[in-house]
Amino acid sequence: GAVVSQHPSRVICKSGTSVKIECRSLDFQATTMFWYRQFPKQSLMLMATSNEGSKATYEQGVEKDKFLINHASLTLSTLTVTSAHPEDSSFYICSARPMRAGGVSEAFFGQGTRLTVV
Amino acid sequence: QKEVEQDPGPLSVPEGAIVSLNCTYSNSAFQYFMWYRQYSRKGPELLMYTYSSGNKEDGRFTAQVDKSSKYISLFIRDSQPSDSATYLCAFGNSGNTPLVFGKGTRLSVIA
Repeated sequence: GAVVSQHPSRVICKSGTSVKIECRSLDFQATTMFWYRQFPKQSLMLMATSNEGSKATYEQGVEKDKFLINHASLTLSTLTVTSAHPEDSSFYICSARPMRAGGVSEAFFGQGTRLTVV
Repeated sequence: QKEVEQDPGPLSVPEGAIVSLNCTYSNSAFQYFMWYRQYSRKGPELLMYTYSSGNKEDGRFTAQVDKSSKYISLFIRDSQPSDSATYLCAFGNSGNTPLVFGKGTRLSVIA
């Protein structure tokens, strides 16, 4: 299957600082990537859709000024958690769907980033 | 009616058992049907992917789709302790839109 690489896998930061998470599609191009947040023992919660060359689309209730998304190229999207606070501590996961002949396809996920804000 | 319904479990079975995981959905526009496995503190891993009614087999895993009943299943034969994880069903439309996920079923296979 296609490979999506996410970095870092784990980060601890002080309250008030910003953290950047990278998501790369290693063997396919992705005009669109998706960012999710997951709390312990809960399902994936879609935060935003990252569009290459244009603004991200945020889900209702997600602060776009808090979670900055940049989709700089067809293989890289970044999520920056600005002025992080302890309540931002969570597991963040990105995904992308390769374009295939006949249409789109299954989604592949990064390994996830565990953010702890102290 | 929720767009996707999945029993959250937890489901506990002995090693070697056949496991049946299920999801129902209400959106007739769904064209792609997937099952993901997620280990604790890891990203979801694609297990099975299909776009038609019927069965698809891959090793110990069989995915079943019944579009007329809007029901999909994942069967795991000869379950192993390493199968212990959360299993998520997922549904997709045409176009590059986000998948719709079930809430996940936590499975424990006891040795």
